[in-house]
Amino acid sequence: KAGVTQTPRYLIKTRGQQVTLSCSPISGHRSVSWYQQTPGQGLQFLFEYFSETQRNKGNFPGRFSGRQFSNSRSEMNVSTLELGDSALYLCASSFPFESVDGGGQYFGPGTRLTVL
Amino acid sequence: QQPVQSPQAVILREGEDAVINCSSSKALYSVHWYRQKHGEAPVFLMILLKGGEQKGHEKISASFNEKKQQSSLYLTASQLSYSGTYFCGTEAGANNLFFGTGTRLTVIP
Repeated sequence: KAGVTQTPRYLIKTRGQQVTLSCSPISGHRSVSWYQQTPGQGLQFLFEYFSETQRNKGNFPGRFSGRQFSNSRSEMNVSTLELGDSALYLCASSFPFESVDGGGQYFGPGTRLTVL
Repeated sequence: QQPVQSPQAVILREGEDAVINCSSSKALYSVHWYRQKHGEAPVFLMILLKGGEQKGHEKISASFNEKKQQSSLYLTASQLSYSGTYFCGTEAGANNLFFGTGTRLTVIP
């Protein structure tokens, strides 16, 4: 079974620009979560989508937004980029809790965003 | 809401054991454990649910003390492949996972 895929893998942008990252979950997974990983802050939860609805949102400014499509694919958008947005952005998908792996998150390889 | 992990780093020789701890100030629904190797994405190890149920794919031992909101990951007879950063993730029932700052484990021959 194919894993979680993310595109692009690397991205370089300048301050003020906006960026859209894409995530395709494992087939059958309907929950998609996004995380930001930086050396200083570690892994931080951005938001989680299930059946095209945002169920939860972390403590990030409104410049960070996302959406999920009917095929469970998800996109994340960051507008008005700041230098501090440079990070590895990870997408993870999961089965429901009642499944054999109990809702464990399966991560994609991430998109490395560099803001200059 | 970020859980606290300890120790921050540990170095083991092959065959030695280690315990990684994770504690939260919130009442928890579940605790997740992940391992991340350098330059790779985190890999799911196991999840411990409120009520005592455990699910996962790895032959790894862990405990979850619901009363204390603490979990421990037990790595026994360590192998070189165990090296990496271990993260615990905690859920307080809101479908959002908060990760600890990680424990860097290095296994040396």
